[in-house]
Amino acid sequence: DSGVTQTPKHLITATGQRVTLRCSPRSGDLSVYWYQQSLDQGLQFLIQYYNGEERAKGNILERFSAQQFPDLHSELNLSSLELGDSALYFCASSVGAQGGSYEQYFGPGTRLTVT
Amino acid sequence: GENVEQHPSTLSVQEGDSAVIKCTYSDSASNYFPWYKQELGKRPQLIIDIRSNVGEKKDQRIAVTLNKTAKHFSLHITETQPEDSAVYFCAALNQGGKLIFGQGTELSVKP
Repeated sequence: DSGVTQTPKHLITATGQRVTLRCSPRSGDLSVYWYQQSLDQGLQFLIQYYNGEERAKGNILERFSAQQFPDLHSELNLSSLELGDSALYFCASSVGAQGGSYEQYFGPGTRLTVT
Repeated sequence: GENVEQHPSTLSVQEGDSAVIKCTYSDSASNYFPWYKQELGKRPQLIIDIRSNVGEKKDQRIAVTLNKTAKHFSLHITETQPEDSAVYFCAALNQGGKLIFGQGTELSVKP
């Protein structure tokens, strides 16, 4: 157990819908990262927050957005869902702002299925 | 663009043999290189990492080597066991603070 929690574990929804994925970082970690893992795409970095502020952005679609709250938990919002959005979504956390200066620990993931 | 190339994509070894996975990266400013192990349906787990001021790091049966000049790093697993079977990902932290992952290597250790 990494100490990072994610809810829900599984999510099944229809195209065009909107969902929210939630992540709580390890105690003491200020940085939260979101990744998408598809079968043919590996682990793709989406976005990073540090202490409530967006810090780095990866290949995140405009239909996706995220935020980090004062209690440091984070939410990833996915809207206008398409079949291709079906994937495992992981959250990771680390102590510091510079992700590579500190180890990143992954949560158990949310499996999103869009039908 | 920035990327991390990982080879091989699949690797099958006999129990007790060694396994080597290699990665190359493109961003010469990268200074942190973690390796993750992911079992089917589970989260990636950090197993070892190396920073750019070190050439080699070892932790029991696992070792990582880094060649900054050639921009490549490798994972070595000795005395492999069936429980080492998983997908292994290398990653490199780029100048923008993003962790760029390789495509993964599916390791199968046959008893």
